[in-house]
Amino acid sequence: GAGVSQSPSNKVTEKGKDVELRCDPISGHTALYWYRQSLGQGLEFLIYFQGNSAPDKSGLPSDRFSAERTGGSVSTLTIQRTQQEDSAVYLCASSQTPAGYEQYFGPGTRLTVT
Amino acid sequence: EDQVTQSPEALRLQEGESSSLNCSYTVSGLRGLFWYRQDPGKGPEFLFTLYSAGEEKEKERLKATLTKKESFLHITAPKPEDSATYLCAVQASGSEKLVFGKGTKLTVNP
Repeated sequence: GAGVSQSPSNKVTEKGKDVELRCDPISGHTALYWYRQSLGQGLEFLIYFQGNSAPDKSGLPSDRFSAERTGGSVSTLTIQRTQQEDSAVYLCASSQTPAGYEQYFGPGTRLTVT
Repeated sequence: EDQVTQSPEALRLQEGESSSLNCSYTVSGLRGLFWYRQDPGKGPEFLFTLYSAGEEKEKERLKATLTKKESFLHITAPKPEDSATYLCAVQASGSEKLVFGKGTKLTVNP
C-alpha cells in the first residue's frame, strides 16, 4: 500500500515568513509523529499525535512551532516567523499503535530559510 | 535523560568484508530498540525492532542483537548496495517518541 507522504518536498522561504508542512500517514495508522533532522544532528522528536490529540508536544522548540491533525489522518506542522536555525529536514512518521511498534517515515520536507 | 550513542561515525568496507556497528544506550526502561537505514535524500527505512536482551533478528545480510546496554548490527559479506547511514533509536517505557543516535555512515566499495 501507499507509504507516508509529505509535501512539499522542498521549501525555500525568507526569514520571518510562515510555512506549513503537510503529512499524509499510512491509512489506518492512528499514531503520527514529527521529527526534525538538522545537518550533522540526529533525528529530533517534535510532537506525537494519537488520533487528533497531541499528548506529547515536548519536542517543539518554541511557541513559533505548532501542529494539528484532523480526521485522524492528515497533519500540518506550522512554523511562524521562520528563523535561519529552523532550516532542516522535517520528517513525519506513522505507526499502527504507539507502543513498541515500528514507525514508518515519509521522505521529508527540506526547509531552507534564507 | 535517554541517550543513544552510535559508533563508529563512519565505516568503509570492501565488498565481502564483514563488520559490526555499535549502538550504546541509556534509557529509563526499554520498550523497544529500533534499527533504520537511511539513504541520502530519503526518510529512514525500518529494519528491525528488538525488545529484550538476548533477542536477535536477521534480514538478508543484516543481523541485529541486543544486550542490556547495547545493540549490534552485524553486516555479513556486504555489497555496495548496503551503503547507507544506519540509525539506532530507543523507545522508553511510558514514552511514544523515538530517541535517535547520530548514525553510522557505511560505505561498501566494490
